[in-house]
Amino acid sequence: AQRVTQPEKLLSVFKGAPVELKCNYSYSGSPELFWYVQYSRQRLQLLLRHISRESIKGFTADLNKGETSFHLKKPFAQEEDSAMYYCALSGLGGQNFVFGPGTRLSVLP
Amino acid sequence: NAGVTQTPKFQVLKTGQSMTLQCAQDMNHNSMYWYRQDPGMGLRLIYYSASEGTTDKGEVPNGYNVSRLNKREFSLRLESAAPSQTSVYFCASRGPYSNQPQHFGDGTRLSIL
Repeated sequence: AQRVTQPEKLLSVFKGAPVELKCNYSYSGSPELFWYVQYSRQRLQLLLRHISRESIKGFTADLNKGETSFHLKKPFAQEEDSAMYYCALSGLGGQNFVFGPGTRLSVLP
Repeated sequence: NAGVTQTPKFQVLKTGQSMTLQCAQDMNHNSMYWYRQDPGMGLRLIYYSASEGTTDKGEVPNGYNVSRLNKREFSLRLESAAPSQTSVYFCASRGPYSNQPQHFGDGTRLSIL
């Protein structure tokens, strides 16, 4: 069965500090992984996906198949990064899409 | 390009009233989803539809019904609203390939008194 865990419910960092939001998954096949961001009272927006290996708003994420992880990182946090972050996994088939429980990032001034 | 459109944006109901939340997407996606998000909580899948004419239960289907009217539209119905169904409801859609993400609507904030 597919499963995504995000061990931290809340993560608080100071502005300018590095950020790492953890995501671990379990899936027997080859997964597709995504990070979503949800700002206060807004829709979930796709932040990045592992297949495109891009950097969006200074965030990057690397898929580590050995550790079954897809941690989200940013070297210098900004106050506008404060939001809810969800890791998600897609397996074969359109309906096989699982979200983690989310981590609330709070960037303090 | 509108993406995923949800109506209404806000609604207040009394216990026992019925209501249908509407969702439409213009991306020609096969799969559509309904989630609820309670305050401070993550997403919970209510129902999904892998294609036109098919629907399947998610994690929390009790108290809800859905209709996949056509490829574009996927509605969620509360037959007899209860205060426990007070939540923000999100609709999402997705293309057929595993590397495609879900696209979300703006949500419907539903309060049941």
